[in-house]
Amino acid sequence: DGGITQSPKYLFRKEGQNVTLSCEQNLNHDAMYWYRQDPGQGLRLIYYSQIVNDFQKGDIAEGYSVSREKKESFPLTVTSAQKNPTAFYLCASSLRQDSNQPQHFGDGTRLSIL
Amino acid sequence: DQQVKQNSPSLSVQEGRISILNCDYTNSMFDYFLWYKKYPAEGPTFLISISSIKDKNEDGRFTVFLNKSAKHLSLHIVPSQPGDSAVYFCAASAGAQKLVFGQGTRLTINP
Repeated sequence: DGGITQSPKYLFRKEGQNVTLSCEQNLNHDAMYWYRQDPGQGLRLIYYSQIVNDFQKGDIAEGYSVSREKKESFPLTVTSAQKNPTAFYLCASSLRQDSNQPQHFGDGTRLSIL
Repeated sequence: DQQVKQNSPSLSVQEGRISILNCDYTNSMFDYFLWYKKYPAEGPTFLISISSIKDKNEDGRFTVFLNKSAKHLSLHIVPSQPGDSAVYFCAASAGAQKLVFGQGTRLTINP
């Protein structure tokens, strides 16, 4: 079954700690994305990657980092520099970023601060 | 600057009736529009899209209308069913670039 898998579903972070959220897709999509959703708000783009070994900052990249070493994987690290990390994080992928194709989403990771 | 706006945070509709969700945008360069449906604690699911060369697109019970002069997008669901209760997001992109999402509208279908 093709899809996007995000893990873990729930994650807790202590103050000053970095945490990494996993995103894996087996859709053979070139482009991958990370979004953040806060209550009552839409999805805001953190980082995106059009191809392996390439990624760009989105609208709210401060305090986050990513890597794209493999086509199917796009992990997101929430660093201690992110002062308000509590949110619902969504990973998405699309066939190519430069075409009008819908993005498909994973089921998200909810990050909370202890 | 909110380029995509969904001005109704919530909407309540009786089962079997039509649900109309609205979305306004400000960027005249947007040429591709999508609607997503989201249940709690799940990722959004793609519903339907429309490109700016069309003004209507249908898929089963779902129809999206685009009024470019008014910079307005709407999603019609007919007939509404209890399983349609969810948060609906509209999104737009310009030149196949990154998507911009609205804030979402929570739709509740009442029996």
